[in-house]
Amino acid sequence: GAGVSQSPRYKVAKRGQDVALRCDPISGHVSLFWYQQALGQGPEFLTYFQNEAQLDKSGLPSDRFFAERPEGSVSTLKIQRTQQEDSAVYLCASSLMPSGGATDTQYFGPGTRLTVL
Amino acid sequence: GENVEQHPSTLSVQEGDSAVIKCTYSDSASNYFPWYKQELGKGPQLIIDIRSNVGEKKDQRIAVTLNKTAKHFSLHITETQPEDSAVYFCAALDNYGQNFVFGPGTRLSVLP
Repeated sequence: GAGVSQSPRYKVAKRGQDVALRCDPISGHVSLFWYQQALGQGPEFLTYFQNEAQLDKSGLPSDRFFAERPEGSVSTLKIQRTQQEDSAVYLCASSLMPSGGATDTQYFGPGTRLTVL
Repeated sequence: GENVEQHPSTLSVQEGDSAVIKCTYSDSASNYFPWYKQELGKGPQLIIDIRSNVGEKKDQRIAVTLNKTAKHFSLHITETQPEDSAVYFCAALDNYGQNFVFGPGTRLSVLP
């Protein structure tokens, strides 16, 4: 079946622009995660949704970062007033079960590579 | 919070040889340790995982071992093939049991 998809795959923004990154999780998956992956590094957690509820946003680096999942399926990560340090690959992952002590497999999308000039 | 270290950062092996990647973690409460393979331009893909109630798990050419006392776990790939070339990440569940903390990655190159 279809995996996690993300769009766009590549985004170039001028410093100060707002961007919106989309994630389509696997159908029926309850949990959705956003990660930021800097060049040559491992993914770093940004935020977690259980259905439409954002249960953890402790990894968001600043108040310029905002995520939503209004109907419990598709999610959007928005970055306002982009800065050069925001340049990274943004990964979305979904899992079937709720998190919180669970060890359910996370399935990752291909990521969106954001470059801020 | 949880801290995961991974060694080596790069590893080159001849085709057919074995490769071993080691990770250490800091939170003794962590109980789930997945390994992901990431190819260029793709998202990480789970290749094997281990839970704290077992010490070793195998899946064909891939195995993972866990030493909870020493807080380290290792990925073993035998009979390596060129298609094993990728970046490998280990991870551990964080203190709250919700989110993975990833290691910095190991770039494995299998030379034909």
